[in-house]
Amino acid sequence: GQNIDQPTEMTATEGAIVQINCTYQTSGFNGLFWYQQHAGEAPTFLSYNVLDGLEEKGRFSSFLSRSKGYSYLLLKELQMKDSASYLCAVIDSNYQLIWGAGTKLIIKP
Amino acid sequence: DAMVIQNPRYQVTQFGKPVTLSCSQTLNHNVMYWYQQKSSQAPKLLFHYYDKDFNNEADTPDNFQSRRPNTSFCFLDIRSPGLGDAAMYLCATSRDGQAEETQYFGPGTRLLVL
Repeated sequence: GQNIDQPTEMTATEGAIVQINCTYQTSGFNGLFWYQQHAGEAPTFLSYNVLDGLEEKGRFSSFLSRSKGYSYLLLKELQMKDSASYLCAVIDSNYQLIWGAGTKLIIKP
Repeated sequence: DAMVIQNPRYQVTQFGKPVTLSCSQTLNHNVMYWYQQKSSQAPKLLFHYYDKDFNNEADTPDNFQSRRPNTSFCFLDIRSPGLGDAAMYLCATSRDGQAEETQYFGPGTRLLVL
């Protein structure tokens, strides 16, 4: 079967750095997305990785290792507004988007 | 601003009473998706359309149907809602459904079944 694993919940302090991991087992791979979802709202796009390595975009960076079936989302200089769920989603060989259940990130002052 | 719009934001229905959720987009995207998302779970794809070409996911219950009368609008019909259908329903679009394309989501409709 196809599977995306992410921690259910993480807690971090305002101003700190947090890394949210995602591991996947899918039938093929055509890219990996990270989306941010605030409570009761729709997911919004953060990043897309299809090649190995680190993609940096402001305070957010996303890393991919295809050989390990692993990605992480790195959030720097955390702000209270970063409290949200972060969803990892993988495109499989059929171009279907397979979603993880998301990691709920709680930021404390 | 180009966007994906869903109405209503909150919908209350009675057990077994048909309900229709609507989605419109001004992005002129070819692909539209309907997802069901329950609390703390991953979004579950119900249907998607490439233009008017309808694609039903294998495990989508027959109780759910969809219509896309034109490029801009898409509807989700729940024929006989059960308590287990209470969820957030998300509409999304993408330009051509290619792997690297971002999906743009509407704000969602939260369905409550009494």
